[in-house]
Amino acid sequence: GESVGLHLPTLSVQEGDNSIINCAYSNSASDYFIWYKQESGKGPQFIIDIRSNMDKRQGQRVTVLLNKTVKHLSLQIAATQPGDSAVYFCAETDGGSQGNLIFGKGTKLSVKP
Amino acid sequence: GAVVSQHPSRVICKSGTSVKIECRSLDFQATTMFWYRQFPKQSLMLMATSNEGSKATYEQGVEKDKFLINHASLTLSTLTVTSAHPEDSSFYICSAPPQGLDTEAFFGQGTRLTVV
Repeated sequence: GESVGLHLPTLSVQEGDNSIINCAYSNSASDYFIWYKQESGKGPQFIIDIRSNMDKRQGQRVTVLLNKTVKHLSLQIAATQPGDSAVYFCAETDGGSQGNLIFGKGTKLSVKP
Repeated sequence: GAVVSQHPSRVICKSGTSVKIECRSLDFQATTMFWYRQFPKQSLMLMATSNEGSKATYEQGVEKDKFLINHASLTLSTLTVTSAHPEDSSFYICSAPPQGLDTEAFFGQGTRLTVV
């Protein structure tokens, strides 16, 4: 069942700084990982993905790092902007891109202008 | 790009009534769709996997008779919350991985259900 009474971890950064959001995943068989951004009242928005045969992938202003040894995933956002303020979730699946996703707890990113 | 449309975006219903939520893939086919529930300040929790032409697969603790899922076509899955109660109030989100494509699943915009 769902946890009760949780508050999301919050990361507060200054505009222009880099942000690093971390995620620990649980299933050593997971082979596909995604970072999502969710704004209030909206569905998750895809940011970047990475497969288990990689340890780093870069997008526009974002980088995902995967450490399978310790089952850790991170999202780095360069030059963070106010529009980046949202809740960020990591998700994992052992079914490739077609599999059901298991979401992490989420981190709320607040960007101060 | 691929789009998943979810309808309605918000619904308020009385206790005891049923509510149907639709999830459509607009420009691709999806043999599988996923339904998630999200309570305030919490993560998305998978409720069930909707399979076109066959029965849905429910996660542990999710009542299949309460959350009816129908996936009658390759572009539409519906979730019906039957005999809704205030504790069913939540944000419901669907996702659909495009069939035959090795790309990430796309999410609907979510449905905010409030049961009064």
